[in-house]
Amino acid sequence: EAGVVQSPRYKIIEKKQPVAFWCNPISGHNTLYWYRQNLGQGPELLIRYENEEAVDDSQLPKDRFSAERLKGVDSTLKIQPAELGDSAVYLCASSLDLLGGVQETQYFGPGTRLLVL
Amino acid sequence: AQTVTQSQPEMSVQEAETVTLSCTYDTSESDYYLFWYKQPPSRQMILVIRQEAYKQQNATENRFSVNFQKAAKSFSLKISDSQLGDAAMYFCAYRYTSGTYKYIFGTGTRLKVLA
Repeated sequence: EAGVVQSPRYKIIEKKQPVAFWCNPISGHNTLYWYRQNLGQGPELLIRYENEEAVDDSQLPKDRFSAERLKGVDSTLKIQPAELGDSAVYLCASSLDLLGGVQETQYFGPGTRLLVL
Repeated sequence: AQTVTQSQPEMSVQEAETVTLSCTYDTSESDYYLFWYKQPPSRQMILVIRQEAYKQQNATENRFSVNFQKAAKSFSLKISDSQLGDAAMYFCAYRYTSGTYKYIFGTGTRLKVLA
């Protein structure tokens, strides 16, 4: 079974430039998460999707960040314009969530390391 | 708000020995999930073990076991017979079972395994 796929693995951009990250979750997983992980910290949730619906985006800086999950499968996270403080690893994860909050294992992708100069 | 605290930024253990990583959390909920994740230098997070709060029995997975103390809000991870491949960052995480089902991660403990 293929795992969570993310691309690109690394990205270096200048500040004020746009950048996009792509995530392909494990087949059949209905829930998709985007996290940001700063150096020396644990992951922080940016947005969570149940199928194509964003059900928790309270931590997403909506002035510059946007995300979409077309047809409830692949997802794209965009930053426009990027700032120096956006340098971090962006992790995508997916899981199969059942009724009543029962959840199977959350699987993570390898992440995209972003460096904003 | 729920918080997860890992008070040990770094731990070391001799190969084949046992080490315990600490985690405490704060919540007003009675039902939730707790997890330990491993993140090797390649950065892909891997689930090590999970515990449902309503289960009193401590979870075990081969060499990994937890000491879940619900009243004390403590969730420590014990690694027995440590191996070089256990070297990684270990993150403790809490997950709601209702509402947003959001995960809260601790700041991590870096485990070094000495040959």
